[in-house]
Amino acid sequence: GAGVSQSPSNKVTEKGKDVELRCDPISGHTALYWYRQSLGQGLEFLIYFQGNSAPDKSGLPSDRFSAERTGGSVSTLTIQRTQQEDSAVYLCASRGFLDTQYFGPGTRLTVL
Amino acid sequence: AQSVTQLGSHVSVSEGALVLLRCNYSSSVPPYLFWYVQYPNQGLQLLLKYTSAATLVKGINGFEAEFKKSETSFHLTKPSAHMSDAAEYFCAVAFSRGGADGLTFGKGTHLIIQP
Repeated sequence: GAGVSQSPSNKVTEKGKDVELRCDPISGHTALYWYRQSLGQGLEFLIYFQGNSAPDKSGLPSDRFSAERTGGSVSTLTIQRTQQEDSAVYLCASRGFLDTQYFGPGTRLTVL
Repeated sequence: AQSVTQLGSHVSVSEGALVLLRCNYSSSVPPYLFWYVQYPNQGLQLLLKYTSAATLVKGINGFEAEFKKSETSFHLTKPSAHMSDAAEYFCAVAFSRGGADGLTFGKGTHLIIQP
């Protein structure tokens, strides 16, 4: 069956530009997560969606970050006015039985 | 704050030797524990998970892990290392049931296999 997909796989952008990252969860999974993986910080939890709702956005690194989910399926993570410290791999996961999270391949973001 | 500690950022073993990757977590017994593997330029692949059904958990690729409550540990082992096991391994814990807090990850252990 299809796993979690993410697009684009790589994104190179200039400082100050906005970027949008997309996640397609496993069909039927109602819970979706975003994480950031960077050399200095390891794997950080960013935000969780149950259906279309994100009850707690405090894990987002700054107010330049936002996320939404529509139709209980696709989610987008948007970073406005990108900074070099935003360079990282952004991973999406959807949750199945017994709280098991299944991860996508990630989007590698490079901010020049 | 809850934390997950992986002892050793790099572990090197010879092909055919025992693999032991260590993971300790803070606080009281968490609901679920996981080991994930990450190959270069790929996402995280689930190796195995502890869900309180059994303390010794078997996963894919010959890996297993044992949950020890008294030691707050969940170490990953494999009896005989293969070259294909070279990758980054992450221990992760779901400290709250329901998953609203996401997973807390250790910093990872890079496993190197010597021929």
